Amino acid sequence: EAQVTQNPRYLITVTGKKLTVTCSQNMNHEYMSWYRQDPGLGLRQIYYSMNVEVTDKGDVPEGYKVSRKEKRNFPLILESPSPNQTSLYFCASSYKSYNEQFFGPGTRLTVL
Amino acid sequence: GNSVTQMEGPVTLSEEAFLTINCTYTATGYPSLFWYVQYPGEGLQLLLKATKADDKGSNKGFEATYRKETTSFHLEKGSVQVSDSAVYFCALSDLSSSNTGKLIFGQGTTLQVKP
Repeated sequence: EAQVTQNPRYLITVTGKKLTVTCSQNMNHEYMSWYRQDPGLGLRQIYYSMNVEVTDKGDVPEGYKVSRKEKRNFPLILESPSPNQTSLYFCASSYKSYNEQFFGPGTRLTVL
Repeated sequence: GNSVTQMEGPVTLSEEAFLTINCTYTATGYPSLFWYVQYPGEGLQLLLKATKADDKGSNKGFEATYRKETTSFHLEKGSVQVSDSAVYFCALSDLSSSNTGKLIFGQGTTLQVKP
């Protein structure tokens, strides 16, 4: 089944404790992206990747890192999480940047 | 910059009622327009899309027409069901920086359908 998977689905952590949210797609898509969803704000892009080893900042990149060492994986790294990063995070992928994007199920992160 | 504005929710309807969720946009060029749906506890699913003016996207009884003259992409359904209860997002592809692939989303509209 073609899909985008994210792990974990739910995470409660404390300020400053490094964490990684994984994202994997099995559709051989070149383009991948991370969004965060906050009430009243819709979804905002954090980082995106046009292909392996090519990543760039979206609209709200502060406090996040990403890497794209393999085509299928695009992990989101929070080196020192803070409470304002409490949010619902979505990974998305598409064949090219201008194609339809497929979204993962989301990761609900709470930073205390 | 580019933006999307949706009507505020929640929208509460009885089963079989007619649904309209308004969406207007501001954009340079000719963006593609999308409606995504998010069912409780799930990720976003593409509901329908339109890539040029006057295109009509349709899926599962939902329709939306790309109106360039009014910069709108309103979502409609003739007869809603309880299973349509979800959050609906209008979005556009940001062609001002075409290589980012970024989707610009509205704030979402919650639809609740009662039996």
